[in-house]
Amino acid sequence: DAKTTQPNSMESNEEEPVHLPCNHSTISGTDYIHWYRQLPSQGPEYVIHGLTSNVNNRMASLAIAEDRKSSTLILHRATLRDAAVYYCILRDSMDSNYQLIWGAGTKLIIKP
Amino acid sequence: DSGVTQTPKHLITATGQRVTLRCSPRSGDLSVYWYQQSLDQGLQFLIQYYNGEERAKGNILERFSAQQFPDLHSELNLSSLELGDSALYFCASSPNGGGAGELFFGEGSRLTVL
Repeated sequence: DAKTTQPNSMESNEEEPVHLPCNHSTISGTDYIHWYRQLPSQGPEYVIHGLTSNVNNRMASLAIAEDRKSSTLILHRATLRDAAVYYCILRDSMDSNYQLIWGAGTKLIIKP
Repeated sequence: DSGVTQTPKHLITATGQRVTLRCSPRSGDLSVYWYQQSLDQGLQFLIQYYNGEERAKGNILERFSAQQFPDLHSELNLSSLELGDSALYFCASSPNGGGAGELFFGEGSRLTVL
């Protein structure tokens, strides 16, 4: 699986948008971009995933660069409950298993 | 609530001992995955089962073993425990064995080895 690079931590103010970047320069054509988050003392939680086009769901938006070498998770209006570690992961859809290689993620700090 | 249930939530034991962690996947999910998360680290994939059969193996120590039963619940057995085995152990499930879909994680079992 290709690797991803994320900043170690980011800070944002409550009720403001947050843009979490992820670089994946060695992404292959069959790699999906997945985002999970892990709130303190909880298991990881799926946020969103996409392949080429930008994606929106009730939790967030995923903006994927045209060359797919980077992506950005967008939280439109951060709340204190969004404080978590956010993981950007590549998942090869051609794999028959689902190992997922997890990096250290980005710790998002929300200031009230 | 993800629908994935893990027991026990907390476990404290001594070095050299053996423990069993249990996972009940979401109803209908055929795949179960086990992950280890040490303090302030990312998740390390241990092993995946699909419909009772081992599907993929990651960095799982020989002292660790797992199985998935006919009712699809899974157990992770950790033996000859060492201090370094202290970690959070997460179970996740998914409807099938691959593809691009999401994983559903349990709340984890926190193992402390003294």
